[in-house]
Amino acid sequence: KQEVTQIPAALSVPEGENLVLNCSFTDSAIYNLQWFRQDPGKGLTSLLLIQSSQREQTSGRLNASLDKSSGRSTLYIAASQPGDSATYLCAYSGGSNYKLTFGKGTLLTVNP
Amino acid sequence: ETGVTQTPRHLVMGMTNKKSLKCEQHLGHNAMYWYKQSAKKPLELMFVYNFKEQTENNSVPSRFSPECPNSSHLFLHLHTLQPEDSALYLCASSPQRGVQPQHFGDGTRLSIL
Repeated sequence: KQEVTQIPAALSVPEGENLVLNCSFTDSAIYNLQWFRQDPGKGLTSLLLIQSSQREQTSGRLNASLDKSSGRSTLYIAASQPGDSATYLCAYSGGSNYKLTFGKGTLLTVNP
Repeated sequence: ETGVTQTPRHLVMGMTNKKSLKCEQHLGHNAMYWYKQSAKKPLELMFVYNFKEQTENNSVPSRFSPECPNSSHLFLHLHTLQPEDSALYLCASSPQRGVQPQHFGDGTRLSIL
């Protein structure tokens, strides 16, 4: 069974701290991996998409890495801000590339 | 504004009611998706439509009936639901099946009494 595990389930940090969210997956034949953000009562917003041939992607204060051999991805958030508070979801697509397998997410709270 | 609009945002219904969820996208996409997000569980893909044709039914009970009249609109018809069907139902779209990322609506929060 394909699974995605996200650790930790919840994280609370003071403003300004650098932090890392972890994602591990069991399928070795992934097509790409995405990190999404979900605010309370809202849908998902795609933050970063890493193709299987890539090692990392960066957007502003966010950096996502992908290590297919170990089945891991990390999302690094630099200089966290209260506006970063949200649930962060990791998802990968296998050979079909349309079927996303999601983790349960990490609930991030950044305290002012 | 994500370009994907879902209505209603909240719905409370009894187990014997019939209701429909609506999704509309203004992005010119050709693939649309229904997902279920339950508390404490990962998002689950329910249905996929590509150019109005259903290409995926992820073993969804027949009390959920999707309809895609055109590439911009997607419906989920509900009847005789169970309490465990209470969840957030998310619609997404992408240029076509197999092209990421998908763009999500804000969902319909469904509560079954």
